[in-house]
Amino acid sequence: QSALTQPASVSGSPGQSITISCTGTSSDIGGYNYVSWYQQYPGKAPKLMIYDVSNRPSGVSNRFSGSKSGNTASLTISGLQAEDEADYYCSSYTSSSTYVFGTGTKVTVL
Amino acid sequence: EVQLLESGGGLVQPGGSLRLSCAASGFTFSSYAMSWVRQAPGKGLEWVSAISGSGGSTYFADSVKGRFTVSRDNSKNTLYLQMDSLRAEDTAVYYCAKDRLRLPGSGMDVWGQGTTVTVSS
Repeated sequence: QSALTQPASVSGSPGQSITISCTGTSSDIGGYNYVSWYQQYPGKAPKLMIYDVSNRPSGVSNRFSGSKSGNTASLTISGLQAEDEADYYCSSYTSSSTYVFGTGTKVTVL
Repeated sequence: EVQLLESGGGLVQPGGSLRLSCAASGFTFSSYAMSWVRQAPGKGLEWVSAISGSGGSTYFADSVKGRFTVSRDNSKNTLYLQMDSLRAEDTAVYYCAKDRLRLPGSGMDVWGQGTTVTVSS
């Protein structure tokens, strides 16, 4: 199972919106509404930010939103803040009943 | 408080074995699937294995299939990962994570702090 494709880095100024893409295939993203997104700070465990494509767990800021079109999922961070600077990973359920993660995107707040 | 605490990591020689444990607390352990996810130094996340809430179904990444075994003891609220025939490329921080549902797929909402496995001679 190949990793989902994400851009290596995305940057934006405070207050701006950024979008991270996550491209897979019809055997993962395109086949299921089971896309999740994780935020990870250096040396820390990942944190679930979005599940089932567009749902936010309790406690996650509504500045984070998710969507999907075909084989590509997206995470949008609006009103970018300094604390959003971190690595972000997408993940999808697959036709093999496994998970696959994305390659990861480093978000930089300019 | 919902919590996961991994243990069992360490230094092991290539070809050796190691068993990781993950002690869960603060939730009904048997109601949720559990997963293992690893992260090699400086690299991204890699899903390794999952097990259903009952323990009756297990799932593995191709990279570890046939070498790793996942199990759980719901009476002890503990998840295990038995790792055999270890290779240098298995060197990573290993996280255990709670799935949102009884079967894996909908995302992992609670993570442990990780335990480090180093495979080297």
